[in-house]
Amino acid sequence: QSVLTQPPSVSGAPGQRVTISCTGSSSNIGAGYGVHWYQQLPGTAPKLLIYVTSSRPSGVPDRFSGSKSGTSASLAISSLQAEDEADYYCQSYDSSLSEWVFGGGTKLTVL
Amino acid sequence: QVQLHESGPGLVKPSDTLSLTCAVSGYSISSGYYWGWIRQPPGKGLEWIGNVFHSGKTYYNPSLKSRVTISVDTSKNQFSLKLSDVTAADAAVYYCARVDNSGYSDYWGQGILVTVSS
Repeated sequence: QSVLTQPPSVSGAPGQRVTISCTGSSSNIGAGYGVHWYQQLPGTAPKLLIYVTSSRPSGVPDRFSGSKSGTSASLAISSLQAEDEADYYCQSYDSSLSEWVFGGGTKLTVL
Repeated sequence: QVQLHESGPGLVKPSDTLSLTCAVSGYSISSGYYWGWIRQPPGKGLEWIGNVFHSGKTYYNPSLKSRVTISVDTSKNQFSLKLSDVTAADAAVYYCARVDNSGYSDYWGQGILVTVSS
């Protein structure tokens, strides 16, 4: 059971917009710690997608955006493309556990 | 371009110590950042193992702290992971990564699969 809760799967058709939620608590996201998002294509290492809630590294398309409200964060992917099919993970710090924690991951399927 | 590369045995016997090294190129470890290890059991999610600063200061996952040692060798521009008394539950792909002060990992190694079996 992950400290950060993500839906196991989401899906969308090409061109559509999907969102992936990451629900935490007052000891992690709600405490003000930044949320980071990673994309993991099959058989590859995770790739940083969003850092500190809403910032994008150089080279990441602006179709990817992040936000946070209260104890939850979200990753939005607009204009969905076939190559977006991957697993997505959120990450934050938990002050009660004194550790960096990841969500359980969400598998995005492009229909 | 920052690159990280994990190396070490792909097979470890139960109760033995898992030892991995991460060689860093394109960036001097002494220049800053934290350097971390993350693992992923087959078909499962990511688990943070621990980070080390270039000074040698370490931060460990409390659930693994009694078995983990992460160290840095600035002269070789590499850092290492040792996990003692391994069991089947420690079988995973182990990744090394560069870690920002805010906790995100911006550069990752390709990962190394470690199997635990006698």
